[in-house]
Amino acid sequence: DGGITQSPKYLFRKEGQNVTLSCEQNLNHDAMYWYRQDPGQGLRLIYYSQIVNDFQKGDIAEGYSVSREKKESFPLTVTSAQKNPTAFYLCASTDSYEQYFGPGTRLTVT
Amino acid sequence: GDSVTQMEGPVTLSEEAFLTINCTYTATGYPSLFWYVQYPGEGLQLLLKATKADDKGSNKGFEATYRKETTSFHLEKGSVQVSDSAVYFCALSEGNSGGSNYKLTFGKGTLLTVNP
Repeated sequence: DGGITQSPKYLFRKEGQNVTLSCEQNLNHDAMYWYRQDPGQGLRLIYYSQIVNDFQKGDIAEGYSVSREKKESFPLTVTSAQKNPTAFYLCASTDSYEQYFGPGTRLTVT
Repeated sequence: GDSVTQMEGPVTLSEEAFLTINCTYTATGYPSLFWYVQYPGEGLQLLLKATKADDKGSNKGFEATYRKETTSFHLEKGSVQVSDSAVYFCALSEGNSGGSNYKLTFGKGTLLTVNP
């Protein structure tokens, strides 16, 4: 089955540590996205990539980094510079007519 | 810039009640409009969409009509079920469908709880 996988579903880290969230898709989509979801805030765009080896900052990129070395993979690193990293993170990809979402990773930093 | 405003929740209904979730938008061009649904602990799923004015999107008993004159895309369902309990997001796409700079702008979401 085609789709988007995110792992792990739950992630716990200590403050000051960097952590990388995985996102893989087998839909052969060029464009991929990372969103952050907080209660009552909706979804906010962190980074997006329209093609391999290229990516752009979204609305809340500070404290995050990404890479796009392969078409099917778009990992997100939450760095220690991100002041409020605890959130639900969603990855998506698009065929330019619809966005398809992964199941999300809930990150808790204490 | 583009924005989406949807009614704040939570919305609590009894089974078989009528549902309306209001959504209005601001956009400079001619966006496509979407409703996504998120069940607890999961990602978002596309519920329905409309790509031009007066289009009606429908799926699973839900429907919404793209109203350019009122810049609205209200979600409706005639008879909700307990299984419809979820968070509903209204969204618009910047630019035209199929464009290379495809991004979505989301509303803040509306939590719907349906009681038996």
